[in-house]
Amino acid sequence: RKEVEQDPGPFNVPEGATVAFNCTYSNSASQSFFWYRQDCRKEPKLLMSVYSSGNEDGRFTAQLNRASQYISLLIRDSKLSDSATYLCVVNYGGGGNKLTFGTGTQLKVEL
Amino acid sequence: NAGVTQTPKFRVLKTGQSMTLLCAQDMNHEYMYWYRQDPGMGLRLIHYSVGEGTTAKGEVPDGYNVSRLKKQNFLLGLESAAPSQTSVYFCASSYSTGATEAFFGQGTRLTVV
Repeated sequence: RKEVEQDPGPFNVPEGATVAFNCTYSNSASQSFFWYRQDCRKEPKLLMSVYSSGNEDGRFTAQLNRASQYISLLIRDSKLSDSATYLCVVNYGGGGNKLTFGTGTQLKVEL
Repeated sequence: NAGVTQTPKFRVLKTGQSMTLLCAQDMNHEYMYWYRQDPGMGLRLIHYSVGEGTTAKGEVPDGYNVSRLKKQNFLLGLESAAPSQTSVYFCASSYSTGATEAFFGQGTRLTVV
C-alpha cells in the first residue's frame, strides 16, 4: 500500500463547479499535512497547509480526519486557472522534515 | 527573488556518462532535498541534507551521490547514468523544523539514452 494515496483523475468539471479531492495516508503518526499544486511541466508549489480544525483560504477548504487518516480539498466556484495537478503531502516528522507525496489528482476546468 | 535555482534545466546523457546537478538556495534554509518525479510514481525522495556537511539517504538513493559543502548548495551526482534514471529532478529546501513549506526549484529534465 502506498504511504499517501490519491485518485489520479482526471476530474473534468465545468467552470463554476465545486469539486472535492480526497487523500488517504497510512502512517498514523503523521504530523503535518499539505496540499501542493503543480502546473504542467512546472515545480510543485504550496497551496495550503491542512490543520486539524480544518481551514479555508478563499475558494479552497482543507479538512483533516485523523481517525480515518484522510485529508480532503474542496474547491468552490472553479476557475479555468485552477486546472492543475493537486498533490497531497504528508510530513511524518522525525529528522529531516521529509515530505511524502501522493501521485497527484489532475483537475481540468472547462468552459 | 531567486529562491531555489537548479542547473541545468535540460540534459541528455548517454548510458554510462556522469553528471552533476546543482541546486542553490538563497533563503538560508537548513534543509535541502533532491526528488525525482516519474509518471504514476509521484515525487520520490533521493537524498536530503539537514545542514552543511551532512547528507542522508531517502527512498530511492541507489545510483546517486550528494554533497552539501556549503549551506546554500546541494549537489546531486550520477556517476554512471542508466536509462532508468531518465526523470525530472527537483531540488527543494525548507526551514529546519515544524510544519514548514518546501520551496522547489524549476526542475531538471534528464534523459539517458
